[in-house]
Amino acid sequence: GENVEQHPSTLSVQEGDSAVIKCTYSDSASNYFPWYKQELGKGPQLIIDIRSNVGEKKDQRIAVTLNKTAKHFSLHITETQPEDSAVYFCAASFGNEKLTFGTGTRLTIIP
Amino acid sequence: DTEVTQTPKHLVMGMTNKKSLKCEQHMGHRAMYWYKQKAKKPPELMFVYSYEKLSINESVPSRFSPECPNSSLLNLHLHALQPEDSALYLCASSQDRIGIREQFFGPGTRLTVL
Repeated sequence: GENVEQHPSTLSVQEGDSAVIKCTYSDSASNYFPWYKQELGKGPQLIIDIRSNVGEKKDQRIAVTLNKTAKHFSLHITETQPEDSAVYFCAASFGNEKLTFGTGTRLTIIP
Repeated sequence: DTEVTQTPKHLVMGMTNKKSLKCEQHMGHRAMYWYKQKAKKPPELMFVYSYEKLSINESVPSRFSPECPNSSLLNLHLHALQPEDSALYLCASSQDRIGIREQFFGPGTRLTVL
């Protein structure tokens, strides 16, 4: 089955700086890669996703890049703000089959 | 309406109790999911319903019993749980299971088993 590794497990960034979280996946058939943000006491919130026919996708301060050859994808957050502090999970799946999640990154934005 | 709702927010139960978790969505989604999330871990898939039929059971113990009464509702019936079942139980939904469909999560029910 699919295996997703996520790094780093914790990340502290000065407010206004950029944050990058990286994931690698094992199943070359995976074609869908969402990112979720989970704040304390809440459910995961889908913030951006990318499909295997696209190399990069951007939504305001958030971007995701995908390297199919190397089987890794990354989340980039620019101009970080205190409200970006949360746990971020990457995931991978083939079509709408089971999502396999990474182990999570706790992002702390330092004011 | 673009959200998944879950009730109750918190639940404390003894090992001999029977309780139910409820999930509701009004987005017209035809796939619904139950996940279990332990502290500092990612969500783990438990069950998937597609068009009100159970399509995936991730070898979940029978003390957890899912039910999908209609396309908007998903229940999880709990009986004779163990303390290690204490976790955040998340419901999610997606448009269907054809092709790639985004999954949207509810806020979860925090379950404590004494």
